[in-house]
Amino acid sequence: EVQLVASGGGLVQPGGSLRLSCAVSGFTFSDHYIDWVRQAPGKGLEWVGRSRDKANGYTTEYAASVKGRFTISRDDAENALYLQMNSLKTEDPAVYYCTRGYDMDVWGQGTTVTVSS
Amino acid sequence: DIQMTQSPSSLSASVGDRVTITCRASQGIRNDLGWYQQKPGKAPKRLIYAASSLQSGVPSRFRGSGSGTEFTLTISSLQPEDFATYFCLQYNSYPLTFGGGTKVEIK
Repeated sequence: EVQLVASGGGLVQPGGSLRLSCAVSGFTFSDHYIDWVRQAPGKGLEWVGRSRDKANGYTTEYAASVKGRFTISRDDAENALYLQMNSLKTEDPAVYYCTRGYDMDVWGQGTTVTVSS
Repeated sequence: DIQMTQSPSSLSASVGDRVTITCRASQGIRNDLGWYQQKPGKAPKRLIYAASSLQSGVPSRFRGSGSGTEFTLTISSLQPEDFATYFCLQYNSYPLTFGGGTKVEIK
């Protein structure tokens, strides 16, 4: 069964940092793009960023709203994707989902990030 | 950035009704569009990919159509489990963008 499990969310102060993890199973991690998507409370979906597959050098793309603050990385040995979030702002609180594929066919359950002093 | 304008933002319908949701792209995206269903507290679930291809396991009452800038999701006969919020996603170019969502409520 294809699964993506996001974790690492929590409460952080403005300006703080947090690292989210996405553990995958049931498919060959290196063969797939993996994205982060977020959803602020009561709002719609916002694409955050992407890690391409190994064939494309695991290169990354980011939304303008997070570029320079957020970094996506992978650990092939752990079958895990990470979202390092620095300089967190009051507009970053959301449920963060990891999704598989350039066309987002499977989604994980999400992890909640709260930014508050 | 490509803007995805989704309409309506909400609708009320009865079981058995035919429901149509539209997404309009601000520029052509070929058929690089997916439709998703989201229920409260849950992750989105993909229904349609490549504008008109039905995701495996999704009931055939869901149908996607369109290409270029105009796309439609049709539910031919609304079932109780279909009351949810629906989103479109364009994956043609960066940044990837979603429609604003359509909440389908019980009349």
